[in-house]
Amino acid sequence: NAGVTQTPKFRILKIGQSMTLQCTQDMNHNYMYWYRQDPGMGLKLIYYSVGAGITDKGEVPNGYNVSRSTTEDFPLRLELAAPSQTSVYFCASTVAREETQYFGPGTRLLVL
Amino acid sequence: QKEVEQDPGPLSVPEGAIVSLNCTYSNSAFQYFMWYRQYSRKGPELLMYTYSSGNKEDGRFTAQVDKSSKYISLFIRDSQPSDSATYLCAMSWSGAGNMLTFGGGTRLMVKP
Repeated sequence: NAGVTQTPKFRILKIGQSMTLQCTQDMNHNYMYWYRQDPGMGLKLIYYSVGAGITDKGEVPNGYNVSRSTTEDFPLRLELAAPSQTSVYFCASTVAREETQYFGPGTRLLVL
Repeated sequence: QKEVEQDPGPLSVPEGAIVSLNCTYSNSAFQYFMWYRQYSRKGPELLMYTYSSGNKEDGRFTAQVDKSSKYISLFIRDSQPSDSATYLCAMSWSGAGNMLTFGGGTRLMVKP
């Protein structure tokens, strides 16, 4: 199993550009999460999904959108990139609320 | 005030030392407590997972939770250079697979 994979690893965006961060898991997990990590600030939840077709906002959803059309994929969309979205983005998944979240390797995003 | 506070470090110790890492929190609803280890430019990986108050031991690692003081600790015995990483505490009110609130992380350096 590859676990949780994320693409791209690194991206530079100009202000106002849009992009999609990809996340795929091959563990048949229902629950998937998107976090952002800023230096010294820990991880903050952006959006989460409890199954295909179901998504909900986390702590910091503004400026982002998600969709969940399949169990495996949970893409994160940035429509109008802003410098405040410069961060490292992590996707995670788990089989159930009581179980461990498995994290992907992250996507580093720089908005200039 | 942050919901979960964690000293950012860095904490530098000699190989073989006992390391103590700590977090304090303000939300008494938290029931599940986790410690994640994050190597540089990698995703977090779960190290320890405890429910409610008490101790849990796994090899060289011991996690302690004191809900009355809203204080959790991670002890590392016989620390190794391979333990050099950032340690993140995380908490949830309904399971490790549910929405997590993270501390900012403590960077640990173990010198040979």
